[in-house]
Amino acid sequence: QVQLVQSGAEVKKPGASVKVSCKASGYTFTSYGISWVRQAPGQGLEWMGWISAYNGNTNYAQKLQGRVTMTTDTSTSTAYMELRSLRSDDTAVYYCARRVRDYGDETYYYYMDVWGKGTTVTVSS
Amino acid sequence: SYELTQPPSVSVSPGQTARITCSGDALPKQYAYWYQQKPGQAPVLVIYKDSERPSGIPERFSGSSSGTTVTLTISGVQAEDEADYYCQSADSSGTYGVFGGGTKLTVL
Repeated sequence: QVQLVQSGAEVKKPGASVKVSCKASGYTFTSYGISWVRQAPGQGLEWMGWISAYNGNTNYAQKLQGRVTMTTDTSTSTAYMELRSLRSDDTAVYYCARRVRDYGDETYYYYMDVWGKGTTVTVSS
Repeated sequence: SYELTQPPSVSVSPGQTARITCSGDALPKQYAYWYQQKPGQAPVLVIYKDSERPSGIPERFSGSSSGTTVTLTISGVQAEDEADYYCQSADSSGTYGVFGGGTKLTVL
């Protein structure tokens, strides 16, 4: 079955960096992308961006550009999300999700069909 | 930046129909997707491409679109449907994704 397994919880100090991993199984990794979404405590979902596992193309949310980098390792079917210069408001659960590219009604469309269980990142001095 | 607007909460009795709306200027151009999230769990896709239901999602979940508003309808609501529901789409260019603020569905 399709599964995304994320790395464990992290505690970081302000200004540090964190790198979260997301290991995929049960499907051809390079046929899909990986999206990243975060959720601050008691808050809603926030779209962070995505990476194509096929060619490494990325697209990041404007508010995170310059601080976030998404990569993949196709040899291990693993995606990574690195966030730098951490602040207290980066404290959140970070989710990876499989990004599906589909075609219909003469257009491509994209959605997240399988999600990891999330990685808690706490930023505190 | 582009926003999607959802009501913060909706309440229904078991067996009734719940309707959750999501409004955004780009919705006539971009498809909408709906995710269900229960406490302490990851989101689950319940509707894609405005009205398509993934396999394994009960038939009581349906989606529709009209102009700048999309609607998630849950017919014959059950206690297990109590959760937060998020709509998701993209800006008019299709470049950036966006989530609505979420709607807490309470089953009375």
